[in-house]
Order: sequence, then structure tokens, then C-alpha cells
Amino acid sequence: NAGVTQTPKFRVLKTGQSMTLLCAQDMNHEYMYWYRQDPGMGLRLIHYSVGEGTTAKGEVPDGYNVSRLKKQNFLLGLESAAPSQTSVYFCASSPHHKGNNEQFFGPGTRLTVL
Amino acid sequence: GQQLNQSPQSMFIQEGEDVSMNCTSSSIFNTWLWYKQDPGEGPVLLIALYKAGELTSNGRLTAQFGITRKDSFLNISASIPSDVGIYFCAGQAPTSGTYKYIFGTGTRLKVLA
Repeated sequence: NAGVTQTPKFRVLKTGQSMTLLCAQDMNHEYMYWYRQDPGMGLRLIHYSVGEGTTAKGEVPDGYNVSRLKKQNFLLGLESAAPSQTSVYFCASSPHHKGNNEQFFGPGTRLTVL
Repeated sequence: GQQLNQSPQSMFIQEGEDVSMNCTSSSIFNTWLWYKQDPGEGPVLLIALYKAGELTSNGRLTAQFGITRKDSFLNISASIPSDVGIYFCAGQAPTSGTYKYIFGTGTRLKVLA
């Protein structure tokens, strides 16, 4: 099993450009998440999904959109990138089992917005 | 947003020493997770705790779910150079409902050979 994979690994954007980050998991997990990680701060939840076709806002959703058209994929979109969105983005997934809801993370996407 | 207090923020230790770190919160949690993150990588799950008072080991790592449900501790025994990295705790509140976690700001561990 590959676990959680993310593409691309690195990206540089100019202000105002758009892009989509792809997350894929092969563990048949119901829940998927997008986080951003900035220096000196813990992981902050951007958006999450509790199942195919459903999404919800997290702690810092502004400037991002997501879609979960297939259970195994969770896409994060930036419609008009801003320098404040320079960060490392992590995707995670977890099963929907009571008593076992551990989150497993992908390797991250390092995004720089100039 | 709400964050956990994780301490220490960083620590330098000699190889072979034991390490202790902790996370505290003003609210109770149902689950505590401990992760390690190497430079340029994603967090890797080390230990999961589901019950107050629970003590769980993973090799040289031992973590405990505090009795008050507001804290958790991670100990590393006989540290080695590959223990270098950032250790994060994550807590899940009873009211989260959708398995959302709150993450600590991390403890950066450096091991001196």
C-alpha cells in the first residue's frame, strides 16, 4: 500500500495564479483532511471530508476550495494564490471506526507564492 | 484557533539520555496521538492513546494518557541520533464528532552524539 500520496511535491506560483493539489489514499478511509503547516505553529485544518461527495470547512478555509468526487481522492484548490498561502500543505486520512480514528499523513506539498 | 500547549519547544540532549515531553490542554480529550516529523517529510504516527491513564509503548517510546484527560506525555529512552526531529501531539475533543484533531506546536529534539 502506498498510504497517502500527494502531488506535486513542490510548486512556485505567482500571486493571482491558481492551482490544484491532489491527495490520494489507498486505505479505503472515509475521512480526509487538508492542513497547512507554518513555522512555529501546529498543523491547522483547512477543509475536511467525511465521505465521498461531502466537504466541510476547518479552522482556516478562506482562499481555498476542496472537492471529494471519489472516495480515494481529495483535491485542494487555490483560485487566486496570495503570498500568505506560502506554506507546506499536508493531506491526511483516517478510518471511520469508533475507537480507531488515527490520522495518516502524506509527505506534503511545499508551495511558495511570489 | 485552539491549540495545545506542548513543552518543551526544543531540547538538546546527549545520545543515550532519556527524553520527556508533554502536551496540556484546558479541555478534555478522548484521544491523544503522538507523531514524529523528519525534515521535509510528513508526520508519522508513533502512538495512539484512547483511554485515561493508558500507558502504551512502541519500542523505546512510551506515551501516557493523563488521568485528567487534559494532558499526555511522551518519553523516549536511551536516545539515538535518528530520534532527531519534531514531535507533535494531537488531541481529539469529545465534541468534535467528525474526528477532528487539534495539534500542538511541536517539540524539536536534537541529539548530540
